[in-house]
Amino acid sequence: DAGVIQSPRHEVTEMGQEVTLRCKPISGHNSLFWYRQTMMRGLELLIYFNNNVPIDDSGMPEDRFSAKMPNASFSTLKIQPSEPRDSAVYFCASSVLEGTQYFGPGTRLLVL
Amino acid sequence: GENVEQHPSTLSVQEGDSAVIKCTYSDSASNYFPWYKQELGKRPQLIIDIRSNVGEKKDQRIAVTLNKTAKHFSLHITETQPEDSAVYFCARGRKANAGGTSYGKLTFGQGTILTVHP
Repeated sequence: DAGVIQSPRHEVTEMGQEVTLRCKPISGHNSLFWYRQTMMRGLELLIYFNNNVPIDDSGMPEDRFSAKMPNASFSTLKIQPSEPRDSAVYFCASSVLEGTQYFGPGTRLLVL
Repeated sequence: GENVEQHPSTLSVQEGDSAVIKCTYSDSASNYFPWYKQELGKRPQLIIDIRSNVGEKKDQRIAVTLNKTAKHFSLHITETQPEDSAVYFCARGRKANAGGTSYGKLTFGQGTILTVHP
């Protein structure tokens, strides 16, 4: 099993640019979670999906952030326009019903 | 609320000593309590978890205890080794709905930086 796959692993962009982060959950998992990790705020849940349906997006910081899950094997997190304060490590995680969450390797985002 | 308080924020021990990290929560509906270990530059990885119908769970050198009345749970690492050095996160979760389709969101503590000195 390849585990949760995220791309890109590193992203450097300039303020104002659009950023798209991608995630492929573990096959057979029906829950997908997007987290953001910073030194100041720790590990924060941004949004999660059950069976491709967004369940709770209360952690999404503002309208500049959006997430989609068009099918069971793919999700995107988009930031438009990006700002320096969005710099963080973004993790995707997936789980089966009431199961352990498995994290992907993360995307390190730096917005200049 | 849903916050989780984790203490201490840093912990330094000598190899072979025990380490204890404690977390408190306020949401009485919480029924799932995982612990994750995150090494520098790596992803968080589950090391042990406990559900609310159990008071204690052990896996080799690590154990977790849960006190639902007091709303706290703790991670115990015995015979610590240098490779145990990492950031440890506690978390809490609960069923997203009565049907239990998922434990839903996890709320994480702020993390404990554990350093084990050889």
